[in-house]
Amino acid sequence: NAGVTQTPKFRVLKTGQSMTLLCAQDMNHEYMYWYRQDPGMGLRLIHYSVGEGTTAKGEVPDGYNVSRLKKQNFLLGLESAAPSQTSVYFCASNDRDSAGYGYTFGSGTRLTVV
Amino acid sequence: RKEVEQDPGPFNVPEGATVAFNCTYSNSASQSFFWYRQDCRKEPKLLMSVYSSGNEDGRFTAQLNRASQYISLLIRDSKLSDSATYLCVVTNTGNQFYFGTGTSLTVIP
Repeated sequence: NAGVTQTPKFRVLKTGQSMTLLCAQDMNHEYMYWYRQDPGMGLRLIHYSVGEGTTAKGEVPDGYNVSRLKKQNFLLGLESAAPSQTSVYFCASNDRDSAGYGYTFGSGTRLTVV
Repeated sequence: RKEVEQDPGPFNVPEGATVAFNCTYSNSASQSFFWYRQDCRKEPKLLMSVYSSGNEDGRFTAQLNRASQYISLLIRDSKLSDSATYLCVVTNTGNQFYFGTGTSLTVIP
């Protein structure tokens, strides 16, 4: 059971380039989330989804877009990368039944924008 | 005001010591509470949920004080392997999780 898988694990982008981060979960969870983690800031929610075909903005959505075309996948896109988007990105999932048990996180994507 | 606040530490304690972390939350309607552990350059992993009656898992004890809006984590007989960052997490009615910035613990031989 793989849990939550994120790809890629590392990436270096030039300012203005675009990329997509993929999150895949095999636990049939309804809810999926994208967070970024920066030193001294903790984990901040970018976007989330409460089911296939739905997305919603979190605390820091600007500069990012997301899609949830299939229940098991949640994609995070950066259309025009900026140095301020240098961060570690974590995907997480859970569902109504497991909400009391917290999230399952992916192993993270380390993104550097130069 | 932040949803969740933690003392960032660092806490440096000798092996075998007892150490306690506190975390305060701002929303009195918060529903679920957790402690997560995060090792350097790794993802956060659930350490334990925190129940109103308090709960214990081996050397770890978590407590919730709704009146004062704080949760605590007590680690007894600290091991070198306990060195990590401990994140306090609180959820609201919308199943949205709010993370503290974490408390760093180093257990020294």
